[in-house]
Amino acid sequence: DIQMTQSPSSLSASVGDRVTITCRASQSIRSSLNWYQQQAGKAPKVLIYAASSLQSGVPSRFSGSGSGTDFTLTISSLQPEDFATYYCQQSYSNPRTFGGGTKVEIK
Amino acid sequence: EVQLVESGGGLVQPGRSLRLSCVASGFIFDDYAMHWVRQAPGKGLEWVSGINWNSGTFGYADSVKGRFTVSRDNAKNSLYLQMNSLRAEDTALYYCVKDPGWFGEFYYFDSWGQGTLVTVSS
Repeated sequence: DIQMTQSPSSLSASVGDRVTITCRASQSIRSSLNWYQQQAGKAPKVLIYAASSLQSGVPSRFSGSGSGTDFTLTISSLQPEDFATYYCQQSYSNPRTFGGGTKVEIK
Repeated sequence: EVQLVESGGGLVQPGRSLRLSCVASGFIFDDYAMHWVRQAPGKGLEWVSGINWNSGTFGYADSVKGRFTVSRDNAKNSLYLQMNSLRAEDTALYYCVKDPGWFGEFYYFDSWGQGTLVTVSS
């Protein structure tokens, strides 16, 4: 199985900050990496698919990059509604696996 | 608008069975693969199982393989998860999830239901 490791597990940031979350796969997954946001008490929502493609309706302040084993999710200017937990997930092979999550909190 | 409504969760004793259902609307159900993803209380996300558009391809997490069975009825726009030999560690919120993959195959998860809670306890 492919292991997905996210860092950091949590971070504190202020509105307007640039935030970067990293995700590492235990083997190459090419560009088969997706990012999800989960707000407290809600179902997850996809932000980025195929490493860098912005899901329809997602604000452009979210962006993704990377390929192979190393990936990043960047929020260019953190907004109040962005305080949430973020998960990466590989869609290269079964079983699909998620990273452990990164909780973005208000500083 | 895509809607996914799960049902069938509840309190069940270890070793017993439970069947989850998900009714889909707002899209052509038999054009898409579907998945179950779970989240234990206070924990992260775990993919449980997936099924392609025509039930020709399945996938399971190692933790449920041999105990859980995914199925679908395209005529009823419904997805199911038969869960046998339940364990305490199966306690979680179970989400029904749509996959936008081409030709009804696996890709990523683009729409989620609100989940149904399964609690395994004596």
